[in-house]
Amino acid sequence: DTAVSQTPKYLVTQMGNDKSIKCEQNLGHDTMYWYKQDSKKFLKIMFSYNNKELIINETVPNRFSPKSPDKAHLNLHINSLELGDSAVYFCASSPAGEVGEQFFGPGTRLTVL
Amino acid sequence: GQNIDQPTEMTATEGAIVQINCTYQTSGFNGLFWYQQHAGEAPTFLSYNVLDGLEEKGRFSSFLSRSKGYSYLLLKELQMKDSASYLCAVMDSNYQLIWGAGTKLIIKP
Repeated sequence: DTAVSQTPKYLVTQMGNDKSIKCEQNLGHDTMYWYKQDSKKFLKIMFSYNNKELIINETVPNRFSPKSPDKAHLNLHINSLELGDSAVYFCASSPAGEVGEQFFGPGTRLTVL
Repeated sequence: GQNIDQPTEMTATEGAIVQINCTYQTSGFNGLFWYQQHAGEAPTFLSYNVLDGLEEKGRFSSFLSRSKGYSYLLLKELQMKDSASYLCAVMDSNYQLIWGAGTKLIIKP
C-alpha cells in the first residue's frame, strides 16, 4: 500500500537532456510538493501545488516545471539538464488544510554526467 | 532571512538519552516539525509542536519555546536503529516548511 510513489528511483543521464520524474499519491491529499536534497542534505522546496494554486520557489530555474494531470499526480519535468541538477528529488503530499504532516515519496536519485 | 540551526552531527551510546536542539528565525510561525531520515530513505514524520511545552510520544519527546525560537528532540533508551538524520522544520506565515540541514545522530554500542 504505497502512499506516495515516485518513478524512477534512479536516473542517470547526460547534460543537456530533458527528463521527467513521476509522482503519485493515493492518500487523497490536496497538496503536493517537490523537494531537492543536495549532497549537503538540505531539503529545499521547489514547488507546492494544490488544485487552486501553484507556488514556485523563485530560486528554481525555469528549466524545472511541475505538471499535474490530476489531484493524485504531480510530475517534475526538467529541461536541458545541468551537472548541478544532480541530487535526490523527493515528492511529498499533505492533507487539505494549511497545516499538516507531509508524507514523502522514496526519492529519485538523479545523476547528470 | 529565514534560518533554522541545528548541530551537524552528534554521537551517543546505545541505551542512553540524547537531546537534539533546533533554533529558528522565520517570518511567522505555524508550528515546528521533527522528521527522521535514515540514509538513502525519505524523511518520516516524528512530531509537531505549535504550543509551548513538551509533547511525549513513546521514547521520543519534542519541546517548544516560541519566545526563544527554540525546540529540542529528546530520544530516550537509544537503539542502534535510531542512527539517522533528524530534521527540524518550521512552517512559516505562508504555510511553507523551512527546513534545517539535519543532525546526523550516530549511535555507538
